[in-house]
Amino acid sequence: GDSVTQTEGQVTVSESKSLIINCTYSATSIGYPNLFWYVRYPGEGLQLLLKVITAGQKGSSRGFEATYNKEATSFHLQKASVQESDSAVYYCALSTHDTNAYKVIFGKGTHLHVLP
Amino acid sequence: GPKVLQIPSHQIIDMGQMVTLNCDPVSNHLYFYWYKQILGQQMEFLVNFYNGKVMEKSKLFKDQFSVERPDGSYFTLKIQPTALEDSAVYFCASSLDGGWGQNTLYFGAGTRLSVL
Repeated sequence: GDSVTQTEGQVTVSESKSLIINCTYSATSIGYPNLFWYVRYPGEGLQLLLKVITAGQKGSSRGFEATYNKEATSFHLQKASVQESDSAVYYCALSTHDTNAYKVIFGKGTHLHVLP
Repeated sequence: GPKVLQIPSHQIIDMGQMVTLNCDPVSNHLYFYWYKQILGQQMEFLVNFYNGKVMEKSKLFKDQFSVERPDGSYFTLKIQPTALEDSAVYFCASSLDGGWGQNTLYFGAGTRLSVL
């Protein structure tokens, strides 16, 4: 079946340093999946950070970016300079077209802790 | 941005009792979802719902589970009877359209269900 893998459960980075959160996916359905990064700030619901629906394209939002790499089946999240306010849980996700209704499959999430 | 509200934020219940989790989706959205996240594990799709019907459900959506949205009010998840393994955080989401890849899911902050 379809799946998303985030290898790091927690990442700690000092403010102003660069960040990369790894994400790989496996999609068995016809066609390429759509890829997403969602973020959950403390006490809030999950919200969409960015999405890319075309292989080879890059999505960006709030200084974060991720490139849809279909050869490597990866969608790593990067930021050049993190801020303390970026501390949150980040979820990589995909959606596929193998069902009659729309659903999103999530990774386990990576807790980003930015040190002041 | 659009908000999905979940009530209550935490529910404690004795095993075998019935529980109803309430979700107030974004007002003009037509598709509704429940996800379940056990502590330390990934968020997993339970069910999606459109036009008064379940469109798709996962194997986690046991016979004891049911969903409804009577007369455009709350979108509810009912568990009757509850079991210990139902303890988890349940996330509600809604989207404007069910078309794959083109629509963003908006999530609530979750209801933590503790079955004793």
